[in-house]
Amino acid sequence: ELKVEQNPLFLSMQEGKNYTIYCNYSTTSDRLYWYRQDPGKSLESLFVLLSNGAVKQEGRLMASLDTKARLSTLHITAAVHDLSATYFCAGQSYNTDKLIFGTGTRLQVFP
Amino acid sequence: GAGVSQSPSNKVTEKGKDVELRCDPISGHTALYWYRQSLGQGLEFLIYFQGNSAPDKSGLPSDRFSAERTGGSVSTLTIQRTQQEDSAVYLCASSEGLFLWDEQFFGPGTRLTVL
Repeated sequence: ELKVEQNPLFLSMQEGKNYTIYCNYSTTSDRLYWYRQDPGKSLESLFVLLSNGAVKQEGRLMASLDTKARLSTLHITAAVHDLSATYFCAGQSYNTDKLIFGTGTRLQVFP
Repeated sequence: GAGVSQSPSNKVTEKGKDVELRCDPISGHTALYWYRQSLGQGLEFLIYFQGNSAPDKSGLPSDRFSAERTGGSVSTLTIQRTQQEDSAVYLCASSEGLFLWDEQFFGPGTRLTVL
């Protein structure tokens, strides 16, 4: 059964700095998703990664997928306060429908 | 267009009571999912509906939990004889359902508190 591990659990970073959130999964996961959640809010889809080597970028966030290493990363470039939120990765095998979520990374960006 | 809607947004109930949570998916979406977010268990899958197919109930934690989807649209998640460990945010999501990897759009959630 697919298991997804995410780290770090908590990330406090200064504005302008770069950092990476890691998402490892245990078995073949054909698709990898990244979501953002603001306090008290629902999940907002950020990226859908469908194939090995996929890289997607939106603003200061860039996500990549390495299916051989069973690793996805979410890279934050020159962080700003507005990026403060909890970020979740989720895996999905090709023959199943449900998303398996990581534990989430709570990101706090301070001046 | 309108997104996924859920009601109520908050529900406080006493232990042992039954509760019903409602989800209205995005119009035209044939796939509907229920997830639960709790402090102890994180985000976990509960149940999945796709068109007229039998639902995938593999994530339901006990037989106190059930869900139905009427007319291929609105879904109701029912929890009978609620327990304190049922306290969580219940999230509904829908997708177009053309492919398993269709993007899932989440509703705002229902926060359930069992006293």
